[in-house]
Order: sequence, then C-alpha cells, then structure tokens
Amino acid sequence: AQTVTQSQPEMSVQEAETVTLSCTYDTSESDYYLFWYKQPPSRQMILVIRQEAYKQQNATENRFSVNFQKAAKSFSLKISDSQLGDAAMYFCAYTDYGQNFVFGPGTRLSVLP
Amino acid sequence: GAVVSQHPSWVICKSGTSVKIECRSLDFQATTMFWYRQFPKQSLMLMATSNEGSKATYEQGVEKDKFLINHASLTLSTLTVTSAHPEDSSFYICSAREVGTGGYEQYFGPGTRLTVT
Repeated sequence: AQTVTQSQPEMSVQEAETVTLSCTYDTSESDYYLFWYKQPPSRQMILVIRQEAYKQQNATENRFSVNFQKAAKSFSLKISDSQLGDAAMYFCAYTDYGQNFVFGPGTRLSVLP
Repeated sequence: GAVVSQHPSWVICKSGTSVKIECRSLDFQATTMFWYRQFPKQSLMLMATSNEGSKATYEQGVEKDKFLINHASLTLSTLTVTSAHPEDSSFYICSAREVGTGGYEQYFGPGTRLTVT
C-alpha cells in the first residue's frame, strides 16, 4: 500500500523568509500525482500545488515551489517570502490516477511576525 | 472555479437520531466524490468513495449501514449518519474530482462539524 510521510510535525518561519516542508512517499507505481494541500484554521482544504510524476520539471505556483526527486521518492514544498496568511496545516498527498488518495499526517506551519 | 459546498456547516443532534450532510460541486461535474473524517489535529481519514449512480466503496472499518452514502447525480452526494452516537462526533469533509480532467486533484468542501449529545 502507498504511504506518505511528513517527518516535521511542526515548523516555524519568520515572515518574509523561506521555509521548506518535507514529504516522502512509498509506491511501486511509476505514474502518479503528488499534491500539497493547505488547511488554515477555517479547516477549508486548499490545493496549493500539484506535480505529475512523469514530469521532470518541478511545479511552481507563485511563491510556492516543489523539489520533486522521483528516485528518492521525495516531494518537498518551498514557500518563499512567507506571509502571515501562510500559517496553516500542510498536507502532502499522493494519488495513482485517482484509485488511491493518501494523505500524510501533516505539518503545522507557524509564521512569526 | 472548482467550488464544492457542504451543508450544514455545523449540526448538533441527539443520540439515536440521523443526520444528513450534503456535498455539492457548484461549477463542475464530479464523477467521484469522497467522504473524510478528521479528528482534531490529525490528518484526513478516508471513509468512502462514491461514483455517480453506483454504490459507494467503504474503507475497512467503516460501517456502511451506519454511514449511508448516496451519489445521485454528478453534482450531489449525501452522507447520512444513522442512529448517531457521541463517538460519531467529528469533522466530516467531502471532496470531489472533476469529470474528464487529467489532474486527479480533489476539491474540498468546507466541512461539517457534527456534535452528538
């Protein structure tokens, strides 16, 4: 079965600084998708970024970018120029064409003013 | 785009009664909808997957007779908690996947907080 691990239960970053959240996963599939979701205190899950495994280029969405290392099964999220509104739980997620959708345990990010 | 609504956002019910939670995709058609349960400070736990017009697939350990799921159309899925008990109190979240897209991402509703007294 596929698993997703986030080894950092909590992280903090100074406003305007950069922070990297770690995620590793385990799968025997060669084609799959990876996601980062954000859950702020409102508890609304928000899609931050997605990565297709067949694409070598790392995905980027404004201040959010990923470092996808397929061989190492690693998928980290970098948040640049951190803002107070970035404070939330961040979940890494995996799916192999929608048949299995697995979430990691989450990382709570605090942004310090 | 890709907005999912959930109703109600908060419900309190007495032990032994049933509660229905609606999940709607507002601006897209959803082939598949998912129901999750989330305990405080924990990740999402998948309860079941429903495809429009067919029976839901429940995860191991989830009682299908207690958590009834109906996916009657491409924009609506409902979760009914039957004979609710205090241990069913939790935060329930639905999500939907859009028809025909290759991204396989899920779009989430805002969640429903259920309190059983």
